[in-house]
Amino acid sequence: KQEVTQIPAALSVPEGENLVLNCSFTDSAIYNLQWFRQDPGKGLTSLLLIQSSQREQTSGRLNASLDKSSGRSTLYIAASQPGDSATYLCAAISRGGSNYKLTFGKGTLLTVNP
Amino acid sequence: NAGVMQNPRHLVRRRGQEARLRCSPMKGHSHVYWYRQLPEEGLKFMVYLQKENIIDESGMPKERFSAEFPKEGPSILRIQQVVRGDSAAYFCASSTDGYNEQFFGPGTRLTVL
Repeated sequence: KQEVTQIPAALSVPEGENLVLNCSFTDSAIYNLQWFRQDPGKGLTSLLLIQSSQREQTSGRLNASLDKSSGRSTLYIAASQPGDSATYLCAAISRGGSNYKLTFGKGTLLTVNP
Repeated sequence: NAGVMQNPRHLVRRRGQEARLRCSPMKGHSHVYWYRQLPEEGLKFMVYLQKENIIDESGMPKERFSAEFPKEGPSILRIQQVVRGDSAAYFCASSTDGYNEQFFGPGTRLTVL
């Protein structure tokens, strides 16, 4: 059974700092790895999706890496801004019999202080 | 092109009442997934449906919970005889098929008094 762990559970940084969020998963036979952002009381916004054949994906100030063999993914946020404050979720995506199965971590609550 | 729509966004029920949550998938999507997010927990898969069929309900509690996705209209997640432990955010996602990216709705926050 896949289990996803995100460390740290919460992180508070000053504006402008570069930071790394960590995600680990127990079953390395994943298909994809996806990072989401969740704002308070809101839904999930997809940030980056890394396919198993890829090692990283970049979008603006965000860079996500994937190391399947070690069961780890990291989300790097450069030059953090107060608007980046949110909960960041990672989901390990496995291939089930009829569909992708997403297993989520509990998230990292990020606060960027002005 | 509207995204996944869920309503109501907030729902308050007293213990023993029924809760009905609705999800309209993105245009062109015929596959719907329901997830539950309990306080301080990650999202957990509940059920996967295609039009008129339940494909995978392995994450659905065996009692009081049911889901449907009729030929016409939204998908419905129904919770009978709600209890305080059902208080959570319920998210719906949709995709074009089972092996394509899932897109999430804004969620329904259920509070059971």
